[in-house]
Parts: sequence; C-alpha cells; structure tokens
Amino acid sequence: SQTIHQWPATLVQPVGSPLSLECTVEGTSNPNLYWYRQAAGRGLQLLFYSVGIGQISSEVPQNLSASRPQDRQFILSSKKLLLSDSGFYLCAWEAPVGGETQYFGPGTRLLVL
Amino acid sequence: QKEVEQDPGPLSVPEGAIVSLNCTYSNSAFQYFMWYRQYSRKGPELLMYTYSSGNKEDGRFTAQVDKSSKYISLFIRDSQPSDSATYLCAMSANSGAGSYQLTFGKGTKLSVIP
Repeated sequence: SQTIHQWPATLVQPVGSPLSLECTVEGTSNPNLYWYRQAAGRGLQLLFYSVGIGQISSEVPQNLSASRPQDRQFILSSKKLLLSDSGFYLCAWEAPVGGETQYFGPGTRLLVL
Repeated sequence: QKEVEQDPGPLSVPEGAIVSLNCTYSNSAFQYFMWYRQYSRKGPELLMYTYSSGNKEDGRFTAQVDKSSKYISLFIRDSQPSDSATYLCAMSANSGAGSYQLTFGKGTKLSVIP
C-alpha cells in the first residue's frame, strides 16, 4: 500500500531564515506530487505540482520554491521566510495514470516569528 | 463567482442525527468529485470519490452528485462524535498536463454532540 511522509511535523522559524520541508511517498512509482498551504479561513492553496523528476509547475508567485530530486521525493524550500509564510503545509500524491484523486500526507505546521 | 462554494458552518448536531453537507460549483468541466475529512491538525483523508451523477454509498456515508444543477452533497447517517471534523469537497478536471488538479471548497466544520 502507498504511504506518504512529511517532516518535520512542526517547525518554528525566525523571519529571514531558510526553510526546507520534505515529502516522500512509498509504494508507488512516478506519482504526481503536490504542495499545498492551508491557512485558517482560506482553504487549501495549491503552491506547486510535479509530474516527474525535475519538472515543477508553480501556481502562485512567492518566495517559495520546490524541487523533485528523486521520483518519490518532493521538497519545498525558501531562502528567506516571511511572516506570511506561516501555515499548514500539505504534500499530496496522485497516481500518474487514471489517478483523479489525491492523497495527503500528515502535514507540517510552520510558524514564522 | 468562486469555482466551488461551500458553507463553512460551523454545524453542530446531536449524536444520531442525519448530517447534510453541500457544495455548489460553476465549472462544467469538473468530472470527478470527492469528499475529504480533516481532523484538527491532521492532513485531509479521502472519504468518498465519485465521477457520475447519482448516489454512492459507503457505510453511513452517501455521496450525491447532480451535474445538471452543479451540486454535490455528503450525507452522514447516525452521526457519531468521532465524525466531528472539517469536511472538504473537491473537484477535478484533467489539466491537460498529465495531472488532475483539484479545486477545493473551504470546508465545513462539523461538531457532533454526545
């Protein structure tokens, strides 16, 4: 069966510091991968998605970036965090063929102070 | 007009009640419809998935889709305190780039009171 992991679970970072959040998927090959941010009252916001290694599509211009160095690894990064980057970050995977639904990881709660 | 509209609640019901959660949408290209359940501080969990108009049952849960009215519902029978969570509707259409991007409602927060 497929499993999706995210770490860390919780992170408190000062403004201006760098960020690296990691997501890995087990039990499937060549998944489509997604990064979302969930802020209170604003729902789920799609940040990035990837259909393969090195292929990243950005949905929202911001100071965040994403990379996919391996088939089942997706990384969300920032060089300098802003207060507005605080939120709940969710990674999701989708089967590459016939995969019309997405499955979410446990999430990372980020607080920027 | 937003693509997906969902009443945020909160919705509070007594244990054993029938719960009705609803979403409306405007994009007729949506082909697949999902309901996710999200407990506090957890990732969303896929609850129901359907792609055709009509009803789909899974235990105490029934998902209903009416494509002609662009309206979907989730019914929970014999609601339990463990059903207390935020319920998110989601819809997708093929983005044409090999992925099905989901459009989410903002979620309805449900509390089932013992």
